[in-house]
Amino acid sequence: AQSVTQLGSHVSVSEGALVLLRCNYSSSVPPYLFWYVQYPNQGLQLLLKYTTGATLVKGINGFEAEFKKSETSFHLTKPSAHMSDAAEYFCAVSSNTGNQFYFGTGTSLTVIP
Amino acid sequence: DVKVTQSSRYLVKRTGEKVFLECVQDMDHENMFWYRQDPGLGLRLIYFSYDVKMKEKGDIPEGYSVSREKKERFSLILESASTNQTSMYLCASRRGLAGTRETQYFGPGTRLLVL
Repeated sequence: AQSVTQLGSHVSVSEGALVLLRCNYSSSVPPYLFWYVQYPNQGLQLLLKYTTGATLVKGINGFEAEFKKSETSFHLTKPSAHMSDAAEYFCAVSSNTGNQFYFGTGTSLTVIP
Repeated sequence: DVKVTQSSRYLVKRTGEKVFLECVQDMDHENMFWYRQDPGLGLRLIYFSYDVKMKEKGDIPEGYSVSREKKERFSLILESASTNQTSMYLCASRRGLAGTRETQYFGPGTRLLVL
């Protein structure tokens, strides 16, 4: 069975500061890992994903995430926050069997001017 | 670009009404999903379908049913709406068979209020 834990339901950063959103997963098989972003009153949009290969994955809008198998983590980072980054972020895991994605409960990012 | 559309952005219904939420995708995806999203609970899977006329229960199917008569369309039905079904409903689609690394693509969501 898979599950996803996002530490911190609310994160606030100053504009220009580092963004770090945490995601840990549990999976009995090698997972596929995803980060999605949701802007107010919109659906979810893919930021980036890890399937195989390089463990540091770059996504849209300057975000990146690193898959660390030993820590079962897939934390999302961005070197310098922008006001437009304010949104809800979801980590998700999908196994290499089955059809389902398993989502974390989300982290709401606030960017302070 | 993959496009997933949902029939309504906002809906207001009364308790006991039958409610239909429609979702259409234009990329010939095999898999389609219905989630509900509530504050603090993230996304919870209601039902998914991996082929026409095929459906599987997700984590919270109670009070819901689904229909997939055509590959591009996946409908969520609330047989008798209740106030605890007030929520944001998100439809998603994905290419491929089980166990693929494909991305799920989401519609814009339907915000349902049941009075």
